[in-house]
Amino acid sequence: DAGVTQSPTHLIKTRGQQVTLRCSPKSGHDTVSWYQQALGQGPQFIFQYYEEEERQRGNFPDRFSGHQFPNYSSELNVNALLLGDSALYLCASSPTARQAMNTEAFFGQGTRLTVV
Amino acid sequence: ELKVEQNPLFLSMQEGKNYTIYCNYSTTSDRLYWYRQDPGKSLESLFVLLSNGAVKQEGRLMASLDTKARLSTLHITAAVHDLSATYFCAVDPGGYQKVTFGTGTKLQVIP
Repeated sequence: DAGVTQSPTHLIKTRGQQVTLRCSPKSGHDTVSWYQQALGQGPQFIFQYYEEEERQRGNFPDRFSGHQFPNYSSELNVNALLLGDSALYLCASSPTARQAMNTEAFFGQGTRLTVV
Repeated sequence: ELKVEQNPLFLSMQEGKNYTIYCNYSTTSDRLYWYRQDPGKSLESLFVLLSNGAVKQEGRLMASLDTKARLSTLHITAAVHDLSATYFCAVDPGGYQKVTFGTGTKLQVIP
């Protein structure tokens, strides 16, 4: 089992640009959540996708959007990048909602985004 | 708004000593997780606590949950250098993996 995989591992972008990050969930998982972790801080919930729809969202602006594909993989898109968007972006997968009640999410290795 | 606070934020301890990390949260939840993060790495799941009074142990780490006090503890017994990492508690009140993380506790174990 490959676990949760994310790509790319590192990325450098310029202010104002757009970026797309990708995530493949763990086998058997169909729910994908995205988190932003600034340096020295805990991860912050961005949003969650289930059945190809955004099910929950944290306190992030509309510049942050996502998508989930029929194979459960997911993308995180960030438009009009700001310097403050520099962070480690983590993807987490979990099984279906009912099963998720008794288990934790599994995290990928993250994508380190630097905005210059 | 749910707040999750950990203390201490930084902990430097000698090998062989015992210590406890505390995690307080502001909203009722019977679902709490502990994760470990090494520098530049992702999050590794340590414990899943699903009910009041839950206690779990793995090696030198033991976690407990008191939902009435909205408090979880992570106890370290006879610390070793390999335990050096940042430890996060995380709360999931709704049970649907919308998780709020604590501030993190950076642990340094000195040989």
